Amino acid sequence: NAGVTQTPKFQVLKTGQSMTLQCAQDMNHEYMSWYRQDPGMGLRLIHYSVGAGITDQGEVPNGYNVSRSTTEDFPLRLLSAAPSQTSVYFCASRIRTLSDTGELFFGEGSRLTVL
Amino acid sequence: AQSVTQLGSHVSVSEGALVLLRCNYSSSVPPYLFWYVQYPNQGLQLLLKYTSAATLVKGINGFEAEFKKSETSFHLTKPSAHMSDAAEYFCAVSNQAGTALIFGKGTTLSVSS
Repeated sequence: NAGVTQTPKFQVLKTGQSMTLQCAQDMNHEYMSWYRQDPGMGLRLIHYSVGAGITDQGEVPNGYNVSRSTTEDFPLRLLSAAPSQTSVYFCASRIRTLSDTGELFFGEGSRLTVL
Repeated sequence: AQSVTQLGSHVSVSEGALVLLRCNYSSSVPPYLFWYVQYPNQGLQLLLKYTSAATLVKGINGFEAEFKKSETSFHLTKPSAHMSDAAEYFCAVSNQAGTALIFGKGTTLSVSS
């Protein structure tokens, strides 16, 4: 009963480096999303996907790329890390319903520091 | 556009006291509203949700919230605080397209003995 699994849990990068945050869910959820959490800012949506092959931008997409080749996986890529991307990143998923009342299931987060 | 405002970034109560965390929303359509809780170093967990059924919604761990359209509010309450309730609480509203949850900035609840 894994739910939403994020790796790595911690990462330190230097400015300009690239990396991928992995997210996998085993609940057959069609909807997946990435949020970043910063002190005093709450959670802000980066990108989301409503199914394999379909992605779209959220509130703060700049500097991040995503793809969705399978239902289970939704990786988040940082192509050239910047100190402003230091944050805690959460992946979340849910079933798709017409009325969007479904509960979002969250991973435990990935804490990224960019020096 | 939908938005939520949480009043008070930090609330402190004594064990056994009433917990009241405030959330006001802005929405051009009937909203779907949520409260999530985050314990230290963990992800978010759903406490309760309002989806236009009963205006008084009961959630886990003894929490409940009342949807008041006239006040555009969805405040979270618990009659008697427990030490284990210490956490950060987020109010959220679904956007009109149904593609995202829009979160408030959070309220940290501290419980003292």
